[in-house]
Amino acid sequence: GAVVSQHPSWVICKSGTSVKIECRSLDFQATTMFWYRQFPKQSLMLMATSNEGSKATYEQGVEKDKFLINHASLTLSTLTVTSAHPEDSSFYICSARGRETAKNSGETQYFGPGTRLLVL
Amino acid sequence: GEDVEQSLFLSVREGDSSVINCTYTDSSSTYLYWYKQEPGAGLQLLTYIFSNMDMKQDQRLTVLLNKKDKHLSLRIADTQTGDSAIYFCAERSLQGAQKLVFGQGTRLTINP
Repeated sequence: GAVVSQHPSWVICKSGTSVKIECRSLDFQATTMFWYRQFPKQSLMLMATSNEGSKATYEQGVEKDKFLINHASLTLSTLTVTSAHPEDSSFYICSARGRETAKNSGETQYFGPGTRLLVL
Repeated sequence: GEDVEQSLFLSVREGDSSVINCTYTDSSSTYLYWYKQEPGAGLQLLTYIFSNMDMKQDQRLTVLLNKKDKHLSLRIADTQTGDSAIYFCAERSLQGAQKLVFGQGTRLTINP
Protein backbone atom coordinates (compact mmCIF):
# COMPACT_ATOMS: atom_id res chain seq x y z
CA GLY A 1 0.00 0.00 0.00
CA ALA A 2 0.85 3.66 -0.14
CA VAL A 3 3.43 4.95 2.34
CA VAL A 4 3.46 8.20 4.23
CA SER A 5 6.45 9.14 6.35
CA GLN A 6 6.88 11.75 9.05
CA HIS A 7 10.00 13.29 10.44
CA PRO A 8 10.94 13.52 13.21
CA SER A 9 9.17 10.70 15.00
CA TRP A 10 9.56 12.50 18.28
CA VAL A 11 10.88 15.84 19.41
CA ILE A 12 11.48 17.55 22.73
CA CYS A 13 11.85 21.31 22.73
CA LYS A 14 11.94 24.24 25.10
CA SER A 15 8.97 26.50 25.52
CA GLY A 16 9.05 29.39 23.07
CA THR A 17 10.90 27.61 20.30
CA SER A 18 9.46 26.57 16.95
CA VAL A 19 9.28 23.01 15.72
CA LYS A 20 8.89 21.82 12.13
CA ILE A 21 7.38 18.46 11.28
CA GLU A 22 7.67 17.02 7.76
CA CYS A 23 5.20 14.74 6.07
CA ARG A 24 6.06 12.95 2.84
CA SER A 25 4.15 10.68 0.53
CA LEU A 26 6.73 8.21 -0.68
CA ASP A 27 5.17 6.40 -3.58
CA PHE A 28 2.24 8.48 -4.71
CA GLN A 29 1.31 12.06 -5.39
CA ALA A 30 -0.69 13.54 -2.57
CA THR A 31 -3.30 15.90 -3.94
CA THR A 32 -4.43 16.69 -0.41
CA MET A 33 -2.69 16.47 2.94
CA PHE A 34 -4.24 16.59 6.37
CA TRP A 35 -2.82 17.37 9.77
CA TYR A 36 -4.34 15.85 12.89
CA ARG A 37 -3.68 16.18 16.56
CA GLN A 38 -4.30 13.37 19.03
CA PHE A 39 -4.34 13.72 22.79
CA PRO A 40 -3.74 10.64 24.95
CA LYS A 41 -6.56 8.12 24.75
CA GLN A 42 -8.57 10.36 22.46
CA SER A 43 -9.55 10.37 18.84
CA LEU A 44 -7.90 12.32 16.07
CA MET A 45 -8.79 15.96 15.74
CA LEU A 46 -8.41 17.47 12.29
CA MET A 47 -6.38 20.65 12.42
CA ALA A 48 -6.14 21.65 8.78
CA THR A 49 -6.39 20.49 5.21
CA SER A 50 -4.01 21.56 2.49
CA ASN A 51 -4.00 21.15 -1.25
CA GLU A 52 -0.74 21.38 -3.13
CA GLY A 53 0.11 24.92 -4.06
CA SER A 54 -2.68 26.56 -2.11
CA LYS A 55 -3.21 27.85 1.39
CA ALA A 56 -4.31 25.46 4.07
CA THR A 57 -7.87 25.44 5.35
CA TYR A 58 -7.91 25.43 9.12
CA GLU A 59 -10.59 23.92 11.32
CA GLN A 60 -12.47 26.10 13.73
CA GLY A 61 -10.46 26.87 16.83
CA VAL A 62 -7.07 26.10 15.27
CA GLU A 63 -4.77 29.13 15.16
CA LYS A 64 -3.29 29.43 11.70
CA ASP A 65 -0.51 31.73 12.90
CA LYS A 66 0.55 29.19 15.49
CA PHE A 67 0.34 26.11 13.29
CA LEU A 68 1.90 27.03 9.96
CA ILE A 69 1.27 24.58 7.16
CA ASN A 70 3.10 24.52 3.87
CA HIS A 71 2.25 22.13 1.06
CA ALA A 72 4.92 23.01 -1.45
CA SER A 73 4.85 19.91 -3.59
CA LEU A 74 2.75 16.83 -4.28
CA THR A 75 4.93 14.80 -1.94
CA LEU A 76 5.75 17.13 0.94
CA SER A 77 3.84 19.07 3.55
CA THR A 78 5.25 20.69 6.67
CA LEU A 79 3.65 21.73 9.95
CA THR A 80 5.49 24.30 12.01
CA VAL A 81 4.43 24.80 15.60
CA THR A 82 5.53 28.34 16.35
CA SER A 83 6.46 29.53 19.84
CA ALA A 84 5.56 26.17 21.28
CA HIS A 85 4.17 25.90 24.80
CA PRO A 86 3.61 22.88 27.04
CA GLU A 87 -0.06 22.73 26.05
CA ASP A 88 1.05 22.10 22.47
CA SER A 89 2.53 18.79 23.57
CA SER A 90 0.67 16.14 21.65
CA PHE A 91 0.86 13.46 18.99
CA TYR A 92 0.68 15.01 15.52
CA ILE A 93 -0.33 12.80 12.63
CA CYS A 94 -0.32 13.71 8.99
CA SER A 95 -2.33 12.02 6.31
CA ALA A 96 -2.18 12.16 2.55
CA ARG A 97 -4.76 11.48 -0.07
CA GLY A 98 -4.01 10.71 -3.69
CA ARG A 99 -5.93 8.98 -6.38
CA GLU A 100 -6.31 5.23 -6.27
CA THR A 101 -6.19 3.65 -9.65
CA ALA A 102 -7.47 0.42 -11.05
CA LYS A 103 -8.45 -1.72 -8.10
CA ASN A 104 -10.24 0.81 -5.94
CA SER A 105 -12.95 3.16 -6.98
CA GLY A 106 -12.43 5.91 -4.47
CA GLU A 107 -9.75 8.01 -2.94
CA THR A 108 -8.11 6.53 0.10
CA GLN A 109 -6.33 8.45 2.81
CA TYR A 110 -3.05 7.12 4.21
CA PHE A 111 -1.59 8.07 7.55
CA GLY A 112 1.92 8.76 8.68
CA PRO A 113 3.37 7.15 11.81
CA GLY A 114 2.95 10.32 13.85
CA THR A 115 5.27 12.74 15.61
CA ARG A 116 5.24 13.02 19.37
CA LEU A 117 5.99 16.55 20.52
CA LEU A 118 6.93 17.33 24.10
CA VAL A 119 7.36 20.97 25.04
CA LEU A 120 9.16 21.58 28.31
CA GLY B 1 -22.58 17.70 10.87
CA GLU B 2 -21.57 14.08 10.67
CA ASP B 3 -21.08 12.13 13.86
CA VAL B 4 -19.53 8.71 14.45
CA GLU B 5 -19.95 6.76 17.67
CA GLN B 6 -18.15 3.71 19.01
CA SER B 7 -18.01 1.90 22.29
CA LEU B 8 -14.73 2.58 24.05
CA PHE B 9 -13.64 -0.88 25.17
CA LEU B 10 -13.87 -4.50 24.09
CA SER B 11 -12.23 -7.50 25.72
CA VAL B 12 -12.15 -10.95 24.12
CA ARG B 13 -10.39 -14.23 24.63
CA GLU B 14 -7.64 -15.26 22.28
CA GLY B 15 -9.07 -17.36 19.48
CA ASP B 16 -12.58 -15.93 19.79
CA SER B 17 -14.12 -13.51 17.32
CA SER B 18 -14.13 -9.80 18.07
CA VAL B 19 -16.96 -7.61 16.89
CA ILE B 20 -16.45 -3.86 17.02
CA ASN B 21 -19.49 -1.72 16.37
CA CYS B 22 -19.93 1.78 15.04
CA THR B 23 -22.87 4.04 14.23
CA TYR B 24 -22.86 7.09 12.01
CA THR B 25 -25.28 9.83 11.10
CA ASP B 26 -24.54 10.82 7.51
CA SER B 27 -27.36 9.91 5.15
CA SER B 28 -25.58 10.64 1.89
CA SER B 29 -23.35 8.35 -0.11
CA THR B 30 -20.30 7.77 1.95
CA TYR B 31 -17.21 5.68 2.42
CA LEU B 32 -16.79 3.96 5.78
CA TYR B 33 -13.38 2.96 7.04
CA TRP B 34 -11.78 0.90 9.75
CA TYR B 35 -8.34 1.90 10.99
CA LYS B 36 -6.06 0.21 13.51
CA GLN B 37 -3.73 2.14 15.80
CA GLU B 38 -1.09 0.38 17.83
CA PRO B 39 0.54 2.17 20.80
CA GLY B 40 2.63 5.14 19.74
CA ALA B 41 1.94 4.61 16.07
CA GLY B 42 -0.09 6.15 13.30
CA LEU B 43 -3.23 4.72 11.77
CA GLN B 44 -3.20 1.66 9.57
CA LEU B 45 -6.05 1.32 7.11
CA LEU B 46 -7.61 -2.11 7.56
CA THR B 47 -10.50 -2.00 5.15
CA TYR B 48 -13.22 0.23 3.81
CA ILE B 49 -16.65 -0.12 2.31
CA PHE B 50 -18.86 2.07 0.18
CA SER B 51 -22.34 2.73 1.46
CA ASN B 52 -24.02 0.83 -1.37
CA MET B 53 -22.42 -2.40 -0.17
CA ASP B 54 -23.66 -4.69 2.61
CA MET B 55 -20.58 -6.70 3.34
CA LYS B 56 -16.91 -6.94 2.60
CA GLN B 57 -14.57 -9.73 3.63
CA ASP B 58 -10.80 -9.73 3.63
CA GLN B 59 -9.12 -12.73 5.25
CA ARG B 60 -9.93 -12.57 8.98
CA LEU B 61 -11.81 -9.30 8.65
CA THR B 62 -15.49 -8.99 7.83
CA VAL B 63 -17.25 -5.65 7.56
CA LEU B 64 -21.02 -5.54 7.76
CA LEU B 65 -23.03 -2.46 6.91
CA ASN B 66 -26.67 -1.92 7.82
CA LYS B 67 -27.42 1.23 5.88
CA LYS B 68 -30.96 1.53 7.21
CA ASP B 69 -29.75 1.64 10.81
CA LYS B 70 -26.47 3.39 9.89
CA HIS B 71 -24.60 0.67 11.71
CA LEU B 72 -21.18 -0.63 10.76
CA SER B 73 -19.33 -3.52 12.35
CA LEU B 74 -15.89 -5.04 12.06
CA ARG B 75 -15.52 -8.71 12.87
CA ILE B 76 -12.07 -10.12 13.49
CA ALA B 77 -12.05 -13.90 13.34
CA ASP B 78 -9.67 -15.96 15.50
CA THR B 79 -8.47 -12.93 17.43
CA GLN B 80 -4.76 -12.97 18.22
CA THR B 81 -2.63 -11.03 20.70
CA GLY B 82 -1.30 -8.97 17.80
CA ASP B 83 -4.81 -7.65 17.25
CA SER B 84 -4.60 -5.68 20.51
CA ALA B 85 -4.94 -2.06 19.46
CA ILE B 86 -7.38 0.81 19.17
CA TYR B 87 -9.76 0.50 16.25
CA PHE B 88 -11.21 3.64 14.71
CA CYS B 89 -14.30 3.76 12.60
CA ALA B 90 -14.43 6.71 10.21
CA GLU B 91 -16.71 7.98 7.52
CA ARG B 92 -16.17 10.28 4.59
CA SER B 93 -19.12 11.76 2.79
CA LEU B 94 -18.82 12.35 -0.93
CA GLN B 95 -20.54 15.69 -0.47
CA GLY B 96 -19.22 18.89 0.96
CA ALA B 97 -15.71 19.02 2.36
CA GLN B 98 -15.23 15.23 2.17
CA LYS B 99 -13.32 15.12 5.43
CA LEU B 100 -12.81 11.97 7.43
CA VAL B 101 -14.86 11.97 10.60
CA PHE B 102 -13.57 9.58 13.25
CA GLY B 103 -15.24 7.77 16.09
CA GLN B 104 -13.67 7.82 19.52
CA GLY B 105 -11.90 4.51 18.96
CA THR B 106 -12.47 1.10 20.56
CA ARG B 107 -9.65 -0.32 22.61
CA LEU B 108 -9.49 -4.07 21.97
CA THR B 109 -7.87 -6.16 24.69
CA ILE B 110 -7.05 -9.83 24.20
CA ASN B 111 -7.18 -12.17 27.16
CA PRO B 112 -5.04 -15.32 27.06
